[in-house]
Amino acid sequence: SAVISQKPSRDICQRGTSLTIQCQVDSQVTMMFWYRQQPGQSLTLIATANQGSEATYESGFVIDKFPISRPNLTFSTLTVSNMSPEDSSIYLCSVGPGQGNQPQHFGDGTRLSIL
Amino acid sequence: AQKITQTQPGMFVQEKEAVTLDCTYDTSDQSYGLFWYKQPSSGEMIFLIYQGSYDEQNATEGRYSLNFQKARKSANLVISASQLGDSAMYFCAMRDTATDSWGKFQFGAGTQVVVTP
Repeated sequence: SAVISQKPSRDICQRGTSLTIQCQVDSQVTMMFWYRQQPGQSLTLIATANQGSEATYESGFVIDKFPISRPNLTFSTLTVSNMSPEDSSIYLCSVGPGQGNQPQHFGDGTRLSIL
Repeated sequence: AQKITQTQPGMFVQEKEAVTLDCTYDTSDQSYGLFWYKQPSSGEMIFLIYQGSYDEQNATEGRYSLNFQKARKSANLVISASQLGDSAMYFCAMRDTATDSWGKFQFGAGTQVVVTP
């Protein structure tokens, strides 16, 4: 399975600032996904990032708040913009095939706290 | 739309005992896949086991097995011989099979398992 490195692993940020999270995969993958996990909650998909096209955002998430880049088949970034305490969450990237019995594989997550 | 339901927010289990985590799903598709993940307190998501809708046998992976009842639309995870390291949050997930879904997953609310000595 793919090895996924996510940086930073954790950060504490001031409200109103922005943070960019990086996700690096050790092999070329078509689909990358970004999830948010609020404290004590399940994973919620933010967007799907396909190389060479604009990310597809889920309902409730907008590009101005969560801009995503996908410059090549092994790398993606998620920026959390103009942060507020409500953005305190774990952010996870994952990769996986679009179909079949293969699971999505996840990075270790970025634990973000906003003061 | 597909939906995953985990009704047990938390469970305690004694070491060496078995525990069953419930998962029910709702889909109109005939072909679908169900996945279970473990999330320790450190936060990473660890894939445990997969069950396909056409699989005739229940999936097993070591101490993990899946009690798949297709007519009831349930895919319960059974952890046998629980160990202290099994203490974690467990999520049931289904791959979205819509043509424009890109294979994204939907996750249940999760079940927190605490294994006691």
